[in-house]
Amino acid sequence: DTEVTQTPKHLVMGMTNKKSLKCEQHMGHRAMYWYKQKAKKPPELMFVYSYEKLSINESVPSRFSPECPNSSLLNLHLHALQPEDSALYLCASSQVWTSDSPLHFGNGTRLTVT
Amino acid sequence: AQSVTQLGSHVSVSEGALVLLRCNYSSSVPPYLFWYVQYPNQGLQLLLKYTTGATLVKGINGFEAEFKKSETSFHLTKPSAHMSDAAEYFCAVSEVDFGNEKLTFGTGTRLTIIP
Repeated sequence: DTEVTQTPKHLVMGMTNKKSLKCEQHMGHRAMYWYKQKAKKPPELMFVYSYEKLSINESVPSRFSPECPNSSLLNLHLHALQPEDSALYLCASSQVWTSDSPLHFGNGTRLTVT
Repeated sequence: AQSVTQLGSHVSVSEGALVLLRCNYSSSVPPYLFWYVQYPNQGLQLLLKYTTGATLVKGINGFEAEFKKSETSFHLTKPSAHMSDAAEYFCAVSEVDFGNEKLTFGTGTRLTIIP
């Protein structure tokens, strides 16, 4: 069982839809992350929140909009996505945002854009 | 700038045989090194990490890795493979870069266990 919970597990959406991915952790971690993983590839960092402040935005298109309502929750709002955005979206957390703090991953949301 | 290379995108071993997954890194400062495992339809799970201290690091599920600075390597081993070890394995490196700490993943090695 993972300690980082992501919902939904699967999502199919059209290019004109608006949807949100949700992530929750109750480990008291103060850093949370969104990663995108295409098939047979390593995860690619999208966003980092440290103490609920956006700290890294890896030049992700504006059709992806992150939100961190509190230290336990992380959302990813999706709008006007493209078929190439289909991927596994992984949320992760760590105690703090430091180089030696390992990441705890959720099981991801499998997103298909039609 | 940091980078990590995993040699062999696919590795197959027989059940009970030695598992060796190779990882070489490049880093301008002493690195922190990690191995993660990903089972089908799941997220990544930390196997082990090296930060400082003992260069032989033991992890979960019987895996261990040795940090060799002279060879810039952090290979993952397990003495006896089990069917449940079949998964994708990612080596990752992180540098101390205040305000910009990022984990760089290798391209992954898919481990297949032959019964």
